[in-house]
Amino acid sequence: AQKITQTQPGMFVQEKEAVTLDCTYDTSDPSYGLFWYKQPSSGEMIFLIYQGSYDQQNATEGRYSLNFQKARKSANLVISASQLGDSAMYFCAMRGVYSSASKIIFGSGTRLSIRP
Amino acid sequence: GAVVSQHPSRVICKSGTSVKIECRSLDFQATTMFWYRQFPKQSLMLMATSNEGSKATYEQGVEKDKFLINHASLTLSTLTVTSAHPEDSSFYICSARSTLLGEKLFFGSGTQLSVL
Repeated sequence: AQKITQTQPGMFVQEKEAVTLDCTYDTSDPSYGLFWYKQPSSGEMIFLIYQGSYDQQNATEGRYSLNFQKARKSANLVISASQLGDSAMYFCAMRGVYSSASKIIFGSGTRLSIRP
Repeated sequence: GAVVSQHPSRVICKSGTSVKIECRSLDFQATTMFWYRQFPKQSLMLMATSNEGSKATYEQGVEKDKFLINHASLTLSTLTVTSAHPEDSSFYICSARSTLLGEKLFFGSGTQLSVL
């Protein structure tokens, strides 16, 4: 079985500061992928970053980076130099390659609020 | 970039009626489409996974006779909520994946269903 855990229901961060959103996972798949999505109040799901379990380096996409620690089964999202527009719900997600028939499951989410 | 169009964005219906939600991949062929349901301030719950031309695979606890999924082509999947009741009121969001486009899931903009 697969499981994604996000332990921070909400976070407040000052504008321009860096922020780390926590995500831990559990899976029996030897190969899997980890995602982060952003959901603003409009409801759309915006892809931020992807990390494959066998990728040698941590993924980075602009201001987003994924701190992947395989032994700890964690995939924290780091947002550098936060902006007011970063205020949204953030979801960590996982896809197992073999046992789960490609379905992607989501964590419970973290609501990030950026203070001016 | 790859776009997924979902219609309608909002629907209000009377209890007992059926509602159809369409999900189209506009500029790519979707190998797999997923349907999620999201209650307010909660995470996305996977309802079913569908591959073109085959029956959808429903998650445990999701009534396949109530939530009819048709994936007739590589660019169109529909979700029909049959005999809708107030407890079916929710945000429904589809997503699509193409093996040619890598691991990313592309999401529709969601449908807010309200059953009176």
